[in-house]
Amino acid sequence: GAVVSQHPSWVICKSGTSVKIECRSLDFQATTMFWYRQFPKQSLMLMATSNEGSKATYEQGVEKDKFLINHASLTLSTLTVTSAHPEDSSFYICSARPRMTLEKLFFGSGTQLSVL
Amino acid sequence: AQSVTQLGSHVSVSEGALVLLRCNYSSSVPPYLFWYVQYPNQGLQLLLKYTTGATLVKGINGFEAEFKKSETSFHLTKPSAHMSDAAEYFCAVSNTGNQFYFGTGTSLTVIP
Repeated sequence: GAVVSQHPSWVICKSGTSVKIECRSLDFQATTMFWYRQFPKQSLMLMATSNEGSKATYEQGVEKDKFLINHASLTLSTLTVTSAHPEDSSFYICSARPRMTLEKLFFGSGTQLSVL
Repeated sequence: AQSVTQLGSHVSVSEGALVLLRCNYSSSVPPYLFWYVQYPNQGLQLLLKYTTGATLVKGINGFEAEFKKSETSFHLTKPSAHMSDAAEYFCAVSNTGNQFYFGTGTSLTVIP
């Protein structure tokens, strides 16, 4: 089946630094990628939808200047947490949808971010 | 607007017993419905999905779910729980597939 690779799987950083998370579709082209955030014991929260070659669409309440999303190619989307703070510590998951499908999504394995 | 409610954040069953995880949704249009499973430190895996057609959907690992429009439900069941079924389960709804809305998840514990 289709594989989505998310890297890194975990990262620890100091407050004020920026962290980049990569999401790659390894064997398919993804016109749309989604970024989610999961707090402990809570639901996945959709942060933004990124479409290749265009600006990401952010959900209400998500700071676009803080969570920079780039979808430069059909196989790669990146999420950069800028000037990270301890409250940004969370589990981030990406998903990708292959071209020509409506509902099939493939998920990355997630990135656990800890900001000290 | 779409939303999903999963009743019971924690469910415990004995090994071999019936598994029932509840999911109710709201949608202004005919929905696509999904169940995903998340094992510790892993990403989400699709268990099964309903788009159109037969309302009883069979998925992987012996799981199945039935779409009941009149009850706006999509409960997940498995006749006999196995230790390896212990995980977090998420119900999700989508309209056109552009956005997915997830429930808060149900943590399944299987007691030996």
